[in-house]
Order: sequence, then C-alpha cells, then structure tokens
Amino acid sequence: AQSVTQLDSQVPVFEEAPVELRCNYSSSVSVYLFWYVQYPNQGLQLLLKYLSGSTLVESINGFEAEFNKSQTSFHLRKPSVHISDTAEYFCEDTGRRALTFGSGTRLQVQP
Amino acid sequence: DTAVSQTPKYLVTQMGNDKSIKCEQNLGHDTMYWYKQDSKKFLKIMFSYNNKELIINETVPNRFSPKSPDKAHLNLHINSLELGDSAVYFCASSPQGATNEKLFFGSGTQLSVL
Repeated sequence: AQSVTQLDSQVPVFEEAPVELRCNYSSSVSVYLFWYVQYPNQGLQLLLKYLSGSTLVESINGFEAEFNKSQTSFHLRKPSVHISDTAEYFCEDTGRRALTFGSGTRLQVQP
Repeated sequence: DTAVSQTPKYLVTQMGNDKSIKCEQNLGHDTMYWYKQDSKKFLKIMFSYNNKELIINETVPNRFSPKSPDKAHLNLHINSLELGDSAVYFCASSPQGATNEKLFFGSGTQLSVL
C-alpha cells in the first residue's frame, strides 16, 4: 500500500500568492521525508529533505516544509510563488523505498 | 557533465517489438533504479540494483528485464511491447541505496507504443 498521500492533484495559484502543497505519510518505521520537483520534460530534482533535527527545513529557492509527527504531515509551503515554480511536486517517504512517492501535485502559477 | 544519463530520450515503436533503454551514471554510486511514470504522473519503482545485484523487484511483468553489466550501468530491456507500456521511464541512482540518501534522476525516456 502507498505510504504517502498528496491530497491535491492540482493547485492553481496566482503569481506572488502563498501556496501550500499537502503531503501525509503513514510509514511506521524511521521517517525520512523528501520533496522533489519535476520541471516539464525533466527528471526529478531534490527540493528539500527532513532526516532529523529541526522540524522546519528550507530550500534555496524559498520553499520550506515542516515535519509534523502528530499529524503525520510534511506539507510544502512558499510565501510568494513565481511563474518559474510551475512544475510537478512529489513527496517521498523512504521508510519503505519501494512504494514511497506520492502521486504528485501539479503547481500551476498564473500571472 | 550529465550525472545520470539515459538513452534514448524518445522511443516510438510498434506493439510486439523488443526494445532497450540504457542508463549510465558517473557519480560513483552503488545503487541504481528504474521508475515508471504513467500519464497521470504517478511514479512507481520497478527495479533497484546495488553493485550489480538485484535488490528491489516490484510487481513488473516478466517482459521487463533489467541488466547491470557494472555498477555504473543499468539497462532495461522490454520484450513484446504492449500499449500499456507507454510511459516515461526514469533511471536514478543513489550512493548506497540508504533511505536517508537523495535520488539523482535522469531526464527520462518517453516510450510510445503504437
């Protein structure tokens, strides 16, 4: 069974607006959580990851995600999006690496 | 230099044919993977090799056969192609296959079976 749920398949948002992409995990083993971004016609690239320590992790391009153990969530947020953030975003829980990617969320940033 | 490279980028073929997709990584990683991404963008692992040994073999038809001649290469051979095989196939690698490592992806091979 899939251990990661991305609740939204598509998120349309206007440029400079805030956005949250939701991810919930269900792994009962040690949790390592990743967010990847896939731009059109490209492979996935790591955006940020949570391994241990501070529950708030940040990427270099303004995204952040917070590990919430009580809610089993790792939602991705950005306070102000750009057109260039339009892409597919995937959450991964490597507790079981075989079936761990979420189904993806398409972030569509509109001018 | 491209870290994980796969060829071809596009592959259009007829049903029943046999085709191969090649993958090479120059990162010195021990572990390589094949993923299938369907038209709805759902990403599912197919195989994983660690230092030429099969580690993960998900529920994949026997028509799919991975081959790893050395730890830098993991090729995917598909026999008797079917319409449902149409998808984007991604190769990936990680240093040792540990769960706290990120994956490095190739740019994908778009397979279209007519």
